[in-house]
Amino acid sequence: SALTQPASVSGSPGQSITISCTGSSSDINDYYYVSWYQHRPGKVPKVVIYDVSNRPSGVSDRFSGSTSGNTASLTISGLQAEDEADYYCSSYTSTSILVFGGGTRLTVL
Amino acid sequence: QLQLQESGPGLVKPSETLSLTCTVSGGSISSSNYYWGWIRQPPGKGLEWIGNIYFAGSTYYSPSLKSRVTISVDTSKNQFSLRLTSVTAADTAVYYCARLHYYDSSTYLYYFDQWGQGTLVTVSS
Repeated sequence: SALTQPASVSGSPGQSITISCTGSSSDINDYYYVSWYQHRPGKVPKVVIYDVSNRPSGVSDRFSGSTSGNTASLTISGLQAEDEADYYCSSYTSTSILVFGGGTRLTVL
Repeated sequence: QLQLQESGPGLVKPSETLSLTCTVSGGSISSSNYYWGWIRQPPGKGLEWIGNIYFAGSTYYSPSLKSRVTISVDTSKNQFSLRLTSVTAADTAVYYCARLHYYDSSTYLYYFDQWGQGTLVTVSS
């Protein structure tokens, strides 16, 4: 994958966690419109962040997004059991190609 | 409320062609702010983008699948379709159709805001 995510992260209820999404250094300037998806087992993927830091209506304000250099990040604060899921970053490139990160399994301890 | 529903065979033989259709209800596939896309997830693996189509017919494909993929749209039926040729076991996956919200209020967005339930396609003889 052209977007690299950690395979897994974990945290206890109430804590904050951050999931990183790193583009390859040779073409990071080609990545735009980063979005993040939550995918619970047996459910349909759901967007939690779009355009780097925007939350769709209905998504908890515990979810936030940011970028720094060649890395985008998803932060979940006040961790809850229901946040346990796989999270994927995605980006749309200047060549009209869309890529997903490899996914990060979030475990709530 | 917009809904998307995938349909097609759940079992395809190796070397044959996988064909799926996504029916859109509760909204028009001809909406100007959206593309329509296919995404898949092999068992135990992550999401993989396959391609997008605009209602007017312009298409964009994953470079890794481009030689085998065709996405088409039928606005009269409010449907879009996926064809993947020369399939192998590596193409076994849950296939999702989804709506890509690409533009709104003078801003480009590019995120999937509505998804179908997904359909499992197994490639096996």
